[in-house]
Amino acid sequence: QVRLQESGPGLVKPSETLSLTCTVSGDSISRYFWTWIRQPPGKGLEWIAYVHSSGNTNYNSSLKSRITISVDPAKNQISLRLSSVTAADTATYYCATLVSGHSDYWGQGTLVSVSS
Amino acid sequence: SYVLTQAPSVSVAPGQTARITCGGNNIGTKSVHWYQQKPGQAPGLVVYDDRDRPSGIPERFSGSNSGNTATLTISRVEAGDEADFYCQVWDSSSDQYVFGPGTKVTVL
Repeated sequence: QVRLQESGPGLVKPSETLSLTCTVSGDSISRYFWTWIRQPPGKGLEWIAYVHSSGNTNYNSSLKSRITISVDPAKNQISLRLSSVTAADTATYYCATLVSGHSDYWGQGTLVSVSS
Repeated sequence: SYVLTQAPSVSVAPGQTARITCGGNNIGTKSVHWYQQKPGQAPGLVVYDDRDRPSGIPERFSGSNSGNTATLTISRVEAGDEADFYCQVWDSSSDQYVFGPGTKVTVL
């Protein structure tokens, strides 16, 4: 069974870059597409982006200019960078598998707060 | 961009049936996936491709999709079913994944 673990700083200053890592275990990272999804406190889910180890990527059009997503098969990790953050980027960030349009496996999420 | 609509909340007595709807323009032509999120937990997939259940999901959870509405039905509701439920589709015209706003299911 695939297991995912998000990690990264819990606090980021406004205008800086949020960097998160998702470490995958239990299966080959090349087998899946990987996606990031976020959830502001008390609010709903927002799709951020997806990536495959082949280099195939797609981004939420509202965030596209600020996102970088990549896969490192050697480390079994997926990374997310979101630049120029504001308080509106405060959320729990989840990584998940993406197969045929749906996500079977999710990490437990990591809360990132944007504040000075 | 494609928009999904969901009622903010649904209340149901134990043992009864809860129906959670997800509205969207011609959503019947898309594959709809449903996630359950209990407080403090990550979402979990309960129905995919309109009506299929992942391994381990009880048969009490079923899905349908036609016209402009997709529906997640929970039969014989239990207290443990209380959660937020989100529908999700892929919008091919914009190549974007979209989530509905979520429905909070309360078991009375």
